[in-house]
Amino acid sequence: DVKVTQSSRYLVKRTGEKVFLECVQDMDHENMFWYRQDPGLGLRLIYFSYDVKMKEKGDIPEGYSVSREKKERFSLILESASTNQTSMYLCASRLTSRLYEQYFGPGTRLTVT
Amino acid sequence: AQKVTQAQTEISVVEKEDVTLDCVYETRDTTYYLFWYKQPPSGELVFLIRRNSFDEQNEISGRYSWNFQKSTSSFNFTITASQVVDSAVYFCALTVNSGYSTLTFGKGTMLLVSP
Repeated sequence: DVKVTQSSRYLVKRTGEKVFLECVQDMDHENMFWYRQDPGLGLRLIYFSYDVKMKEKGDIPEGYSVSREKKERFSLILESASTNQTSMYLCASRLTSRLYEQYFGPGTRLTVT
Repeated sequence: AQKVTQAQTEISVVEKEDVTLDCVYETRDTTYYLFWYKQPPSGELVFLIRRNSFDEQNEISGRYSWNFQKSTSSFNFTITASQVVDSAVYFCALTVNSGYSTLTFGKGTMLLVSP
C-alpha cells in the first residue's frame, strides 16, 4: 500500500514563527504536492515538485516555500507564519507515469495564533 | 486551463433521502480524468472514483452512483438512501493526461445528513 505521511496531525504556532510541514511517501513517487484546503474554497495547490530539487509554484505560493532534497520527502515552509495561513494542509504524491493516481496524506490542521 | 464547478455549496437531507451532487468541468483536452473525493470531519481525503474521458459508462457501487455525460461536461454523483455517515464534504476534481498536469478541484459540496 502506498503511504503518504505528514509529520503532524494538528499544529499550533504563533504569528511570526517559522513553520515546517513535512511529508514523506514510501513508494518512490517522483511527483509531490502541497495543497491547502479552506471551507468553501476547495483544495488549492501551493507548490509541487516533479522530482528531487525541482519545484514549481502552484496557484497560491505567496508566503510559502518548499524543499525537496530527497525523493521521499517534501517540506512546506512558512517563513513567518500569519493568521491567514491557518488552514488544513494536505500533501500528495504520484508517479509521473500514472498522473491519474494521486495519493493523499492525512492532512495537518495548522492554527496560527 | 481546467475548471471544475460545484454549484451546490451545502446540501441538507434527512436520512434515507436520495441526493445528487453536481459537478461541471471545463477542459480543452480530449484525454482527461475525473474524480470524486470525500472528506469526512477528520479531514482525510478519501478517494471514491476515477473516470477517464473515453469511458462514459455510468458506474454504481453500493449506494453510490456516478453519471458521466460528456455532452454536458458533467460528472454527477448520487447517493441513494443517504445515511448520517455520508455527512462530509465532497470534491470533484479533474486532471488532463499531458505533461505534468495537476489536479484541479471544485470548491466542494458539504452534505449534511440528519437522522
